[in-house]
Amino acid sequence: EVQLVESGGGLVQPGGSLRLSCAASGFSFSSYWMHWVRQAPGKGPVWVSRISSDGSIITYADSVKGRFTISRDNTKNTLYLQMNSLRAEDTAVYYCARKGPSPYGLDVWGQGTTVSVSS
Amino acid sequence: QSVLTQPPSVSGAPGQRVTISCTGSTSNIGAGYDVHWYQHLPGTAPKLLIYANSNRPSGVPDRFSGSKSGTSASLAITGLRADDEAEYYCQSSDSSLSLVFGGGTKLTVL
Repeated sequence: EVQLVESGGGLVQPGGSLRLSCAASGFSFSSYWMHWVRQAPGKGPVWVSRISSDGSIITYADSVKGRFTISRDNTKNTLYLQMNSLRAEDTAVYYCARKGPSPYGLDVWGQGTTVSVSS
Repeated sequence: QSVLTQPPSVSGAPGQRVTISCTGSTSNIGAGYDVHWYQHLPGTAPKLLIYANSNRPSGVPDRFSGSKSGTSASLAITGLRADDEAEYYCQSSDSSLSLVFGGGTKLTVL
């Protein structure tokens, strides 16, 4: 079964750090671009970052640039999101998602992990 | 405020047809970028429903259809069923190749 499972969310104080993980199974992880998307309570989804299949191409939303770092370990079939200098507005459910082959959109999503930034 | 605009809610009786609009701009949908649609039930993983404006992934019933024109796109659902009740999101890209989403539309089956 094709699956993505996020972990690592939790409650953190403003200015703190968290590292999210996304474990992939059931497909050739190293062949796909991967994305992080977040959704704040009561809001629509917002794209956070993407990484190419080999990790050589990375882009970020302006709102997280310089604070978040996306990475992947294709030997462990795992995607990561290192989040530093967290702010209250980073509070959201964070989803990892697979970019399907063109012209597909994000064809596989995880169930999300919740990040709460509060003092 | 989301980049793409969707109505907050739509509703219909079982068996009826509903449409959900997604309005963008010349920077995203109108620039020729594809529109994708997702179905999301709370606590579950979002599901790709329509890709590249009007295509259904394998396993998605033909009750779901998509279209795109100019700076807008639409999702149509015919033969409404109780289990269609969910949140629906549109998604496209912009000139910086960032992904942009709509704010979501809550479908209620009466």
